[in-house]
Amino acid sequence: AQKVTQAQTEISVVEKEDVTLDCVYETRDTTYYLFWYKQPPSGELVFLIRRNSFDEQNEISGRYSWNFQKSTSSFNFTITASQVVDSAVYFCALSDYNSKLTFGKGITLSVRP
Amino acid sequence: DTEVTQTPKHLVMGMTNKKSLKCEQHMGHRAMYWYKQKAKKPPELMFVYSYEKLSINESVPSRFSPECPNSSLLNLHLHALQPEDSALYLCASSQSSGTVQETQYFGPGTRLLVL
Repeated sequence: AQKVTQAQTEISVVEKEDVTLDCVYETRDTTYYLFWYKQPPSGELVFLIRRNSFDEQNEISGRYSWNFQKSTSSFNFTITASQVVDSAVYFCALSDYNSKLTFGKGITLSVRP
Repeated sequence: DTEVTQTPKHLVMGMTNKKSLKCEQHMGHRAMYWYKQKAKKPPELMFVYSYEKLSINESVPSRFSPECPNSSLLNLHLHALQPEDSALYLCASSQSSGTVQETQYFGPGTRLLVL
C-alpha cells in the first residue's frame, strides 16, 4: 500500500522568510510519480509540480524549489522569500498505476505580513 | 492553460431534494474524476471515468450517481443525501487514466451543505 506523510500540520512564517514543507512517501513500485498541489482558501487544487521516480534532479521555478531524494523517500518543497499569497494548504501526493492519487494530510501555511 | 469548471459554486439542499453537480473540461482529456473533501482533510476519490465509462467506484453510496454524457462533461446526481455528505466536491481531469504518470487538473469545487 502507498502512503504519504506530511508530518507538519501547520506552519506560520513572516513574509520574506523561507519555508520548507516536508513530504515522505512509501511505495513498493519502482516507477511512480510525486506531485505537489496548492489549495488556497477558494478551494481549487492547483497543480504545482510532477516528478517521476527516475529523475532526482532538483527543480526550481521562480521562488519555488523541490528537492527529491530517493534514498530518504522524500520530496520536499521550499518557498523562498514567502509572500502572503502563498498562504494555502499544500498537499503532497503519490500516484499508482490506476492514476489514483494518495494524498498526504496537507500542510497549512500561513504567511503573515 | 488548464481549465476545469464546476457549477454551482455553492449548493444548499434538503435531505429529500434531488440536485446535480456539473463539471466541464476543455482540454481534450479522456479521464474525469469526482472527489469529496471534508474540512481539513485531503480529497477522497469517489469515481473515475475513462473514455466515458465508469472505471473506478470507491464504494460510494448509491445516493451519489455519476454520469458522463461525453468526454468533456461529468455530472454527479445527488439524491436523499445526509448532513454528513456536506463537503467540498471537486472534479478533476487528466489526459487518460490507468497509467502512473497522469497529472490531474482540478476544478474550483462545489461547496455542498445538506440540511
